Amino acid sequence: QKEVEQNSGPLSVPEGAIASLNCTYSDRGSQSFFWYRQYSGKSPELIMSIYSNGDKEDGRFTAQLNKASQYVSLLIRDSQPSDSATYLCAVNPGGATNKLIFGTGTLLAVQP
Amino acid sequence: GAGVSQSPSNKVTEKGKDVELRCDPISGHTALYWYRQRLGQGLEFLIYFQGNSAPDKSGLPSDRFSAERTGESVSTLTIQRTQQEDSAVYLCASSYGLGSYEQYFGPGTRLTVT
Repeated sequence: QKEVEQNSGPLSVPEGAIASLNCTYSDRGSQSFFWYRQYSGKSPELIMSIYSNGDKEDGRFTAQLNKASQYVSLLIRDSQPSDSATYLCAVNPGGATNKLIFGTGTLLAVQP
Repeated sequence: GAGVSQSPSNKVTEKGKDVELRCDPISGHTALYWYRQRLGQGLEFLIYFQGNSAPDKSGLPSDRFSAERTGESVSTLTIQRTQQEDSAVYLCASSYGLGSYEQYFGPGTRLTVT
């Protein structure tokens, strides 16, 4: 069973702090990794994609990938109350499919 | 431009009835996906279309579920003889063609089976 695991949280951080969200995956053949944000009652919104080892930065967001450790993380700098949401890690397992396997998500609460 | 659209936004049906859910992908996106999200749970993959063919339908939970896509555009997901466990939000996503995995989601259809 190919799995993507996340701590369900809630992760509580004060406004202005760095939020660190983590994800591990079981399939070593996985090629592509994504972070989605999902507000309560809404559909997932793509915020970051990462395909190679290292860091990728986009504004206040940094995605980090370590394929040897099968680990991907998302850092949110200068966290804002509007960042409070569930963050979903998603992995494409490669092969002939484009499907994504999702973790169950980490609930982030940014305290004003 | 316009995003992925889905209809209806909400559907309440009686157990045993058939339902059809519709998805309109982003213009130019040749890949289309259906996922299901039960209350408080993660997203489950159902089926993936590349053009009008479905190279991966491994997530369809039973033969009551089927999907088709026509004209490399609109897709319909059909659930026959609905059961209470089918209650969930059904999400459609689309992406550019083969090799591009960034998927963009529609607003979903909330299905309630009574």
